[in-house]
Amino acid sequence: AQKVTQAQTEISVVEKEDVTLDCVYETRDTTYYLFWYKQPPSGELVFLIRRNSFDEQNEISGRYSWNFQKSTSSFNFTITASQVVDSAVYFCALSEHNAGKSTFGDGTTLTVKP
Amino acid sequence: DTGVSQNPRHKITKRGQNVTFRCDPISEHNRLYWYRQTLGQGPEFLTYFQNEAQLEKSRLLSDRFSAERPKGSFSTLEIQRTEQGDSAMYLCASSFEDGELFFGEGSRLTVL
Repeated sequence: AQKVTQAQTEISVVEKEDVTLDCVYETRDTTYYLFWYKQPPSGELVFLIRRNSFDEQNEISGRYSWNFQKSTSSFNFTITASQVVDSAVYFCALSEHNAGKSTFGDGTTLTVKP
Repeated sequence: DTGVSQNPRHKITKRGQNVTFRCDPISEHNRLYWYRQTLGQGPEFLTYFQNEAQLEKSRLLSDRFSAERPKGSFSTLEIQRTEQGDSAMYLCASSFEDGELFFGEGSRLTVL
């Protein structure tokens, strides 16, 4: 069975601070995919990144970066120099190869104060 | 606009009534998913289709729930004899194979 744990329920930071959102996953599969999605106050979930289990290279996209470590089953997400517009609920998700469904964590609510 | 479209956006119904939601996925996507989301929780998988075939249903999906995807295009999710516990946001998403999910804006159900 697959499971995703986002231990941080809520995080509050002041604008321009860096913040890291944690994600720990469980799976028995050797081939799987990890995702991060953003759900702003408007409600629609938006895809941010997808990694496959064979690619542990960290990725940076602008102010966003992701640290994938198979040894600790973690896929953490860092926002550098946070902005008010980053305020949202962030979900980590796991999908096993050809399993179809994605399993989501319960999300981390990030509030960035001006 | 080629995003995922869901309707109605909001539905208020009385307990015991039937409701139906519709989802129009991105046309190039062969997979279509239904999820349910309640306050403070992540999306919870209900079912998914690859083209017109329903490949998996969650054990959480009682017999009152049925989903169809005729001709592998749009999908409907019907809830019969609604209960107050069915109140939630019903999310539709589509993808191409194992790719990332593209979500619609959701259909919010309130059962009185």
